[in-house]
Amino acid sequence: DTGVSQNPRHKITKRGQNVTFRCDPISEHNRLYWYRQTLGQGPEFLTYFQNEAQLEKSRLLSDRFSAERPKGSFSTLEIQRTEQGDSAMYLCASSPGTGGVLRITDTQYFGPGTRLTVL
Amino acid sequence: GENVEQHPSTLSVQEGDSAVIKCTYSDSASNYFPWYKQELGKRPQLIIDIRSNVGEKKDQRIAVTLNKTAKHFSLHITETQPEDSAVYFCAAVGFQKLVFGTGTRLLVSP
Repeated sequence: DTGVSQNPRHKITKRGQNVTFRCDPISEHNRLYWYRQTLGQGPEFLTYFQNEAQLEKSRLLSDRFSAERPKGSFSTLEIQRTEQGDSAMYLCASSPGTGGVLRITDTQYFGPGTRLTVL
Repeated sequence: GENVEQHPSTLSVQEGDSAVIKCTYSDSASNYFPWYKQELGKRPQLIIDIRSNVGEKKDQRIAVTLNKTAKHFSLHITETQPEDSAVYFCAAVGFQKLVFGTGTRLLVSP
């Protein structure tokens, strides 16, 4: 499968625990994005990477959230001290990286998501 | 920042009818407008997109129109089929990110 992959697909954790999700983008895609989607809503942007550089972070990304893309390939999203409000689907997407960095106009391809449930 | 509004939130049609979903955006500098289809429990999938240098784009039964002056764009699905049933999201590019609408749940009844 050459599409975007995410692991795990489901994660159930207790409040206060730390969780880490992984995203593997489409090979050779330079840009990688993280979104959060709650029931009945569209994906909300969290952050994005151009290669290994994190270029933009949403205000939704509190200091409990951190994302990395150390070698410009896969990325991890960590949530520390989880809260019940963190329960959501966390989606990753990647794009080729053509065009400008200020207004992203290349097609984003989404992964299947990681569904987080915080008890 | 960019704000995208999408209507209606729910749309029910009979098989063979047309469906229209409308979105408005706030950032006049936006120049890319994709539409995604999301089936229950699955990832969003791009179905069509349009850039600001064109006013309309078609792909078989799907078309998108863009009115930059009014800052709105629409998705048109003709000859709907039950497999078109899903949630559809519009999006517009803001500063360094895509901003999505809240989605339209389309139900096509046989």
